[in-house]
Amino acid sequence: QVQLQESGPGLVKPSETLSLTCTVSGGSISNYYWNWIRQPPGKGLEWIGYIYYNGRSKYNPSLKSRVTISVDTSNNQFSLKLSSVTAADTAVYYCARGSTGGPDWFDSWGQGTLVTVSS
Amino acid sequence: QSALTQPASVSGSPRQSITISCTGTSSDVGGYKFVSWYQQHPGKAPKLMIYEVSNRPSGVSNRFSGSKSGNTASLTISGLQAEDEADYYCSSYSSSTTVVFGGGTKLTVL
Repeated sequence: QVQLQESGPGLVKPSETLSLTCTVSGGSISNYYWNWIRQPPGKGLEWIGYIYYNGRSKYNPSLKSRVTISVDTSNNQFSLKLSSVTAADTAVYYCARGSTGGPDWFDSWGQGTLVTVSS
Repeated sequence: QSALTQPASVSGSPRQSITISCTGTSSDVGGYKFVSWYQQHPGKAPKLMIYEVSNRPSGVSNRFSGSKSGNTASLTISGLQAEDEADYYCSSYSSSTTVVFGGGTKLTVL
């Protein structure tokens, strides 16, 4: 069964860039859509974007200008960069696997990592 | 970006049935079969319960069922159990934002 694990700094300063990596184990990163989803404390889920194993990506229009998602197939990893962060970007960040056809549903999730934006 | 509309809370007694609604537009829920539902217990990652409107992943109890009519999707939980108490989120493909989530519904088992 595929497992996902997020890693990266838990504290980021305002105006800096948030960087997280998701490591996929127990299965190949090929043929699936890989997603980042976040959840501010006490609030709902927000889709950030996806990357396909071939490098094709798509982002939430509300975050598009600040988001980059990349993939490293040799290490079965994909990564998130979110620039110019503010306190509003404080959230639990999840990586999740979509289907083979698109981000149609998310059947495997990482445990989530809390990123706090604060000086 | 507008989230899909879910009731903030629902409640039911053990062994009863409850239904959670998820209302969108023809650009998301009403226009596509890609509606999914997630269960989230406190401090845990969401878990896929329903995909493509009404399909259950392997291992999910058949007490959980999904449907859709027009721009509104629904999740029904029958035979409520204490462990069903959690937050539930719907999600849909969207022609404008690719993916949109509902605001979440807190289910309380009385």
